[in-house]
Amino acid sequence: GAVVSQHPSRVICKSGTSVKIECRSLDFQATTMFWYRQFPKQSLMLMATSNEGSKATYEQGVEKDKFLINHASLTLSTLTVTSAHPEDSSFYICSARKGGSGTGNTIYFGEGSWLTVV
Amino acid sequence: GENVEQHPSTLSVQEGDSAVIKCTYSDSASNYFPWYKQELGKRPQLIIDIRSNVGEKKDQRIAVTLNKTAKHFSLHITETQPEDSAVYFCAASRSGGYQKVTFGTGTKLQVIP
Repeated sequence: GAVVSQHPSRVICKSGTSVKIECRSLDFQATTMFWYRQFPKQSLMLMATSNEGSKATYEQGVEKDKFLINHASLTLSTLTVTSAHPEDSSFYICSARKGGSGTGNTIYFGEGSWLTVV
Repeated sequence: GENVEQHPSTLSVQEGDSAVIKCTYSDSASNYFPWYKQELGKRPQLIIDIRSNVGEKKDQRIAVTLNKTAKHFSLHITETQPEDSAVYFCAASRSGGYQKVTFGTGTKLQVIP
């Protein structure tokens, strides 16, 4: 398999502040990483596709200025929730695609980050 | 874009029985179909996947079947155990680094001891 690490696992922040979540592929290079948001008892909602060295592609309805994504290297993507509000409280999870011949571009997930905005 | 539908949303089975979860997809160009198991508050774990050049794949108690013509695929779990209880997600994707993965809505499986 492959390892994707996400940090922090839990964070509490005050309303109006910004929070950064990191997603790292530890043992492979990921040209593409994905950021999801998951509400309780619901499926994974894709927020954006993060491409190394270029701008992220956001899904419809996701505010790019609020959810800043940076894919600075082949092993690191970050999601910054700016000016957080209580309604941004959620489980955020990243995934990375491991490419290469024969792998079928398998997706591996990070551990997820619980964000609570108070 | 791709649309993945998953049924049922909840499924309860007795320990030892089989469980079947079904998914349909809309994009005929999708050729990669993974299944994930997610326990509460944890990351989804890949349990099995199938590519479009294969009709069936099996790994111990888990099997997946794919019908490309009908655009549907299914997860089969045999001899279920309490530790199989979780939420299962199907997904569909085209090949290629930038292709996104579209997930189904999830099935909450409960295995009753």
